[in-house]
Amino acid sequence: DQQVKQNSPSLSVQEGRISILNCDYTNSMFDYFLWYKKYPAEGPTFLISISSIKDKNEDGRFTVFLNKSAKHLSLHIVPSQPGDSAVYFCAASLGNTGKLIFGQGTTLQVKP
Amino acid sequence: NAGVTQTPKFQVLKTGQSMTLQCAQDMNHEYMSWYRQDPGMGLRLIHYSVGAGITDQGEVPNGYNVSRSTTEDFPLRLLSAAPSQTSVYFCASRRGQAGNTIYFGEGSWLTVV
Repeated sequence: DQQVKQNSPSLSVQEGRISILNCDYTNSMFDYFLWYKKYPAEGPTFLISISSIKDKNEDGRFTVFLNKSAKHLSLHIVPSQPGDSAVYFCAASLGNTGKLIFGQGTTLQVKP
Repeated sequence: NAGVTQTPKFQVLKTGQSMTLQCAQDMNHEYMSWYRQDPGMGLRLIHYSVGAGITDQGEVPNGYNVSRSTTEDFPLRLLSAAPSQTSVYFCASRRGQAGNTIYFGEGSWLTVV
């Protein structure tokens, strides 16, 4: 049972435009949500996070939106750059256990 | 600053062999975990630990053992390797609270033939 789902395996956008990556979850007990970026042959690196008590968090070109009623979060990248091309994973942290559950990932390609 | 260090980086095993993937962190992080990455499956949690002497199962624990005798080390043992365990394995660590950044190692590529 996949508790964190990224239903779009891939996304292609033009440089300078907005990239929107989506993530859905099923467990209402998740208390933190995080986005990670991964390049080939490297470990994932942290991008941005949001607490379940907030609905938006912004860091430079990256903004994460959380809609708790829909159990949905999204990552907006504006403007998109070719260097943003990578696999993006959303993850959710489960309460006191601290377990971090990841989605399947979305491969973003930003075309020059 | 070494961060999270995994060894070996590459390994080929025969079916039925056992081996240990090593993971060490030098950041005094309480939380450590192991993930495997497979195409279309994302990162799946194998085992995790919230401190020395404490371990728990993740999403896909079967066929793997862990122990946490020190804060720094969190080895992952494959008891009897199977081709289904061919994967890329990532170790990760985090300081305390759930909202803190989790740091990943560079990965260990394991092939079971």
